[in-house]
Amino acid sequence: ETGVTQTPRHLVMGMTNKKSLKCEQHLGHNAMYWYKQSAKKPLELMFVYNFKEQTENNSVPSRFSPECPNSSHLFLHLHTLQPEDSALYLCASSQERSMNTDTQYFGPGTRLTVL
Amino acid sequence: KNQVEQSPQSLIILEGKNCTLQCNYTVSPFSNLRWYKQDTGRGPVSLTIMTFSENTKSNGRYTATLDADTKQSSLHITASQLSDSASYICVVSARIAGNQFYFGTGTSLTVIP
Repeated sequence: ETGVTQTPRHLVMGMTNKKSLKCEQHLGHNAMYWYKQSAKKPLELMFVYNFKEQTENNSVPSRFSPECPNSSHLFLHLHTLQPEDSALYLCASSQERSMNTDTQYFGPGTRLTVL
Repeated sequence: KNQVEQSPQSLIILEGKNCTLQCNYTVSPFSNLRWYKQDTGRGPVSLTIMTFSENTKSNGRYTATLDADTKQSSLHITASQLSDSASYICVVSARIAGNQFYFGTGTSLTVIP
């Protein structure tokens, strides 16, 4: 195990539903990330939190809303998603965003299917 | 444009054989390069990290090389095992606004008995 947990591991939701993904890290890290992984595409960075402050939002649609209540927990709130949002959503953490050799530790991901 | 290209896209090898995966990048200014292993249904796990001054790094049966002049890296797997079946992702970091990561699409390796 990498020290980063994600729940749920699988989620099926309709386009009108509201759901949340949860990520928790037990590594004492200060930076947390949300990534989207679609088949045959590179990982896409969605959001970055460094010391609980959102430092990056890579033009992600507003139907994805992140929340970072403390440096150990990260949420991704989902509402009115589209079928093309179906993907593996990965959470990662690292010591600190700006460190040159910072290594990210990934959770197992949430497999999301939007019907 | 900062990009990372990996080849081959997929590879099947016999157990016990060696293989080499390639990563070419155009990321600048270069900070470091990582290789990750991602098992099916799990998140990526870091195998190696190399900075500009390093041209080889080993982790057990995995050996990564880096040629910063030609902007190429390779991951060599020796005496492959069934558990090596996974996707291998090359990630290049650029010294932009702290640290920007550029991901390849990965090479899917299948080791068969």
